[in-house]
Amino acid sequence: QKEVEQNSGPLSVPEGAIASLNCTYSDRGSQSFFWYRQYSGKSPELIMSIYSNGDKEDGRFTAQLNKASQYVSLLIRDSQPSDSATYLCATKGVGGGSNYKLTFGKGTLLTVNP
Amino acid sequence: DGGITQSPKYLFRKEGQNVTLSCEQNLNHDAMYWYRQDPGQGLRLIYYSQIVNDFQKGDIAEGYSVSREKKESFPLTVTSAQKNPTAFYLCASSFPGALGANVLTFGAGSRLTVL
Repeated sequence: QKEVEQNSGPLSVPEGAIASLNCTYSDRGSQSFFWYRQYSGKSPELIMSIYSNGDKEDGRFTAQLNKASQYVSLLIRDSQPSDSATYLCATKGVGGGSNYKLTFGKGTLLTVNP
Repeated sequence: DGGITQSPKYLFRKEGQNVTLSCEQNLNHDAMYWYRQDPGQGLRLIYYSQIVNDFQKGDIAEGYSVSREKKESFPLTVTSAQKNPTAFYLCASSFPGALGANVLTFGAGSRLTVL
């Protein structure tokens, strides 16, 4: 059973701080990794994707991937109250129909306090 | 504007009734998906379709049915066999391809409540 694990939170940070969100996955063959942001009552929206080891930066967001440790993280710099949401980590399976299937974690609720 | 339209946004169902959730996309995506989300839970895959007239069961297909007669449309029927259907249902679509297939675009969701 492929699993993606996240701390459910809530993770609370002050405005302007760095928020660090973590995710581990069980399928060693996973090749693609995604972070989605979901506001309460809304649908998820993609904020970062990462496919190779190392860091990937996009504005205030940095995704970090370590395949050896089966670990992916999301850093949010200069956190804003508008970043308050649930962040979902997702991984892609390998081969055949798995090319189309994402496995999602349960999400981490982030609260940024003004 | 391109996107995914789900309807209805809210739906109430009596026990024993079948209901159909609509999903239409104008993104020209080949692949479409249905996910279910329960409070405090991640998304669980119900069904997915790679091309027209073909679909595959996801992790929790029991009690659900789908059809894919047109590229743009992927309706989901929640049957009376689904024992706990109250949930938030999300439709998504993506382009094919090993990496691009998983950049999902989601609709706004349909919230189903069983009375």
